[in-house]
Amino acid sequence: KNQVEQSPQSLIILEGKNCTLQCNYTVSPFSNLRWYKQDTGRGPVSLTIMTFSENTKSNGRYTATLDADTKQSSLHITASQLSDSASYICVVSKFPGGSYIPTFGRGTSLIVHP
Amino acid sequence: DAGVIQSPRHEVTEMGQEVTLRCKPISGHDYLFWYRQTMMRGLELLIYFNNNVPIDDSGMPEDRFSAKMPNASFSTLKIQPSEPRDSAVYFCASSPGQGATEAFFGQGTRLTVV
Repeated sequence: KNQVEQSPQSLIILEGKNCTLQCNYTVSPFSNLRWYKQDTGRGPVSLTIMTFSENTKSNGRYTATLDADTKQSSLHITASQLSDSASYICVVSKFPGGSYIPTFGRGTSLIVHP
Repeated sequence: DAGVIQSPRHEVTEMGQEVTLRCKPISGHDYLFWYRQTMMRGLELLIYFNNNVPIDDSGMPEDRFSAKMPNASFSTLKIQPSEPRDSAVYFCASSPGQGATEAFFGQGTRLTVV
């Protein structure tokens, strides 16, 4: 069964600290992995996308890594800000015969305290 | 562009009533997706359309759910009859392509069935 597991389920950190969120998946055949940020009461917004050949990609203070061999990805947030408080969702897509099939993780809820 | 527009933002209805959720995708986007989000199950893809044609509805939970896209600028998700377990946030998203192409989400409709 295609699955995406995220850890931790929730995380509380102090403003200015760094943190790393994890995503493990069993989706196959793998097409791409995307990290979304979802603020409370809003729809998810894409932070970054990783394809099979990419190991790391940055978007400002967000850096995503991908190890396609171990089927693991991480999202590292540097110098956290209060506005980083949100749910972070890992989504892995596969491409069987051209059909778009995304599998969503349950998300990591991040709270940044001043 | 105003982004993906969903209405209503909130809906409270009694069990057994028909509920219709509406979505206006971003102009020029060929793909439209309906998702459901709950605390227990996270985000789930219900159905998606390509050029107004339903491509994959395997995520639709049961026959009480139906979705239509009569034209490129409008889609509906209907639940008839509604049940308390249908309570969730329903998101619509649109995309100019599939696979690695980013999907842009609306603000969501929070449905409560009492």
